[in-house]
Amino acid sequence: GQNIDQPTEMTATEGAIVQINCTYQTSGFNGLFWYQQHAGEAPTFLSYNVLDGLEEKGRFSSFLSRSKGYSYLLLKELQMKDSASYLCAVWTGGGNKLTFGTGTQLKVEL
Amino acid sequence: DSGVTQTPKHLITATGQRVTLRCSPRSGDLSVYWYQQSLDQGLQFLIQYYNGEERAKGNILERFSAQQFPDLHSELNLSSLELGDSALYFCASSPRPGTASGNTIYFGEGSWLTVV
Repeated sequence: GQNIDQPTEMTATEGAIVQINCTYQTSGFNGLFWYQQHAGEAPTFLSYNVLDGLEEKGRFSSFLSRSKGYSYLLLKELQMKDSASYLCAVWTGGGNKLTFGTGTQLKVEL
Repeated sequence: DSGVTQTPKHLITATGQRVTLRCSPRSGDLSVYWYQQSLDQGLQFLIQYYNGEERAKGNILERFSAQQFPDLHSELNLSSLELGDSALYFCASSPRPGTASGNTIYFGEGSWLTVV
């Protein structure tokens, strides 16, 4: 089976940088996704990593190390609207199964 | 707008009843995933279909079933409903499983089910 760990909660200041970590143990790895989810809304795609390294997309960057079973999401220039749950998800089984971690609730404060 | 359409958006029904949730994937997407998210809980993977065939199954109860039709839309059937089945049910779609970077899984807005 899959085991995905993320911190439950994090708090950061507007304008700052925050790093949300995700560790996983799985077999048949096909990639790792990060999603943002506001309460009661659909998860919104942020990033996808399948190779080791850093993927940058505007204020958001995601890093993957397959050998360590580790990923992080980096959010820069934090805004109040970034307050949300951030979900790490691992794609396995030839892409047939996407398993989510329990999510990290990020609170951005003034 | 992700391009994934789910109906109904909201549904209230009584215990013991049966409901059907419908999902239309993005145009061209062959894979459909179903998830359950209870209040303050994470996304629980239920089942995945690819081009009409079941490919992966998660923690889906025997009272629940799903199928994907030739036109690629999918339905999730929930029967003998219990209070604990009250949740937000999401459908997601992707073009094809397990291919190189650039693939994305898009989620619909979800169907809110309340069992009373």
